[in-house]
Amino acid sequence: DQQVKQNSPSLSVQEGRISILNCDYTNSMFDYFLWYKKYPAEGPTFLISISSIKDKNEDGRFTVFLNKSAKHLSLHIVPSQPGDSAVYFCAVYLRGTSYGKLTFGQGTILTVHP
Amino acid sequence: NAGVTQTPKFRVLKTGQSMTLLCAQDMNHEYMYWYRQDPGMGLRLIHYSVGEGTTAKGEVPDGYNVSRLKKQNFLLGLESAAPSQTSVYFCASRLQGTVTEAFFGQGTRLTVV
Repeated sequence: DQQVKQNSPSLSVQEGRISILNCDYTNSMFDYFLWYKKYPAEGPTFLISISSIKDKNEDGRFTVFLNKSAKHLSLHIVPSQPGDSAVYFCAVYLRGTSYGKLTFGQGTILTVHP
Repeated sequence: NAGVTQTPKFRVLKTGQSMTLLCAQDMNHEYMYWYRQDPGMGLRLIHYSVGEGTTAKGEVPDGYNVSRLKKQNFLLGLESAAPSQTSVYFCASRLQGTVTEAFFGQGTRLTVV
């Protein structure tokens, strides 16, 4: 039972254009959403997050949008740079659960071409 | 400031052998996690812990055991390794009580032959 889905295994974008990564979730009780970035041979690193009480959060070139009615999360990178090439994971957290469980999606490989 | 350190970084096991992966964090985090990453499967939670002496099962706990005898350490054990356990294992930790991000180690690449 996959509670978090990233349906696009890969995305290829030209440098300077926008990258849009998508994530769908099934549980409307999830209340905190995060994006992680992972380079080869490294551990994932935190990128940006959003609470369920918001619909948008920006941090420099990165913006996360949350559509609660559609149970959909997206990450926009503008402008995209070759250094953004990595695997991107969305993750969800249900506050109030006993164990602080953090559940990840399958990941999307982003390739930004110069 | 080491953060989250995993030992070892690489290991090759024969089917049926046992081993323990060690995760150590120096950030005084309460929560610790073990994930495995497989192609197309993302990061799947194996076990986690909300504090010293407590552990809980995640999504894929079969074939693994864990212990959290000290707050800073979280051990993942494979009693009898199987080829299906070939994967990259990541440990993570985070603070309790706040909705904060988890910090990850560098990973352990395990191959079971």
